[in-house]
Amino acid sequence: EDQVTQSPEALRLQEGESSSLNCSYTVSGLRGLFWYRQDPGKGPEFLFTLYSAGEEKEKERLKATLTKKESFLHITAPKPEDSATYLCAVPPRTGANNLFFGTGTRLTVIP
Amino acid sequence: DAMVIQNPRYQVTQFGKPVTLSCSQTLNHNVMYWYQQKSSQAPKLLFHYYDKDFNNEADTPDNFQSRRPNTSFCFLDIRSPGLGDAAMYLCATSRGGVTYEQYFGPGTRLTVT
Repeated sequence: EDQVTQSPEALRLQEGESSSLNCSYTVSGLRGLFWYRQDPGKGPEFLFTLYSAGEEKEKERLKATLTKKESFLHITAPKPEDSATYLCAVPPRTGANNLFFGTGTRLTVIP
Repeated sequence: DAMVIQNPRYQVTQFGKPVTLSCSQTLNHNVMYWYQQKSSQAPKLLFHYYDKDFNNEADTPDNFQSRRPNTSFCFLDIRSPGLGDAAMYLCATSRGGVTYEQYFGPGTRLTVT
């Protein structure tokens, strides 16, 4: 069954302490992997789309990478304002439109 | 700025009393989605419109209905809300199908008393 798994569920970092979040997927024939940021009580905010293994995208302190089995969201020298839940999502293998979302990693950056 | 707008941001309704949530977009996107998100869970797709074509997810209860009168607006109707329907309801849009990024509105937090 197609699936998306994110780890860790929660991560606490000191300000400036770099780390990575993981999104592993089992969808074959990947048609894109999406990263979103979600602040409490708000809708997800689009960050990146990755389409092929080896692809990388960057935005400020965030860099997303993709392999054939997983994606990483690297956070370099995080600041407290980076605290949020980070969600990844993939389209299913079939023509269905039910985008598979992971349950997210809740990141807290402590000043 | 082009955006996705949801109204109201907070809605309180009584058990069994119909409620309508509204979504509008200035992105001129073809697809509009409605998701339900409960605390600490992933967003769950309820249905979507591709232009005027309505697509219901197999496990979406009949209690949930949707209307899209034009490109810009989409409504979520909950005919008889139960306590289990209390959640954040998210509207999203995209240019095309699921291979395109989706842009979400701020959500409507529904409370059922």
